[in-house]
Amino acid sequence: QKEVEQNSGPLSVPEGAIASLNCTYSDRGSQSFFWYRQYSGKSPELIMFIYSNGDKEDGRFTAQLNKASQYVSLLIRDSQPSDSATYLCAVSGQNFVFGPGTRLSVLP
Amino acid sequence: DGGITQSPKYLFRKEGQNVTLSCEQNLNHDAMYWYRQDPGQGLRLIYYSQIVNDFQKGDIAEGYSVSREKKESFPLTVTSAQKNPTAFYLCASSIGAPGPREPSSYNEQFFGPGTRLTVL
Repeated sequence: QKEVEQNSGPLSVPEGAIASLNCTYSDRGSQSFFWYRQYSGKSPELIMFIYSNGDKEDGRFTAQLNKASQYVSLLIRDSQPSDSATYLCAVSGQNFVFGPGTRLSVLP
Repeated sequence: DGGITQSPKYLFRKEGQNVTLSCEQNLNHDAMYWYRQDPGQGLRLIYYSQIVNDFQKGDIAEGYSVSREKKESFPLTVTSAQKNPTAFYLCASSIGAPGPREPSSYNEQFFGPGTRLTVL
């Protein structure tokens, strides 16, 4: 079992829709969870981090964490074409581990 | 401006040559990391360093070497032993290294702009 898993995509959503990105992890001792966005040919940039169960909102982005299910997700409301990128989930426990990323395509 | 710089942005290497990629940070971070990314793939950890004069191998260290003589600098050498070095190389840093502690953004990794290495 890989430490951090994500659907590779591509996930295609129409402009204005909600995009839902999912991530599962195997280390039950993990404490902090991060979502990065990476545009093609660029380096990853942090969107949000979360460490408490429940939801955390920042603008159009909402991170959701369920430690019992070892599951973290990112919702993007009112998706825009500029949101088209690869989204990387990262989990910090004994190690800092990145998932393989999910490619999101927002169609105009 | 605080941040991480990598140079060069593009690098071309002939087969059999060693090349060194530069990574410098002025964030006063203790931990630094090198990742490799192949087209359409995720990040793979090459080496990381939690403190000056100490570093550990990541998942794909073969054919690479690093040094950490200064807190600000963590250069990566791609040796001729690396059979397929063409890739996008990313350097990152964080305040501290992962480990058991209260959850926080302490381990958030900040990335440099990357170096794209091509073997001719």
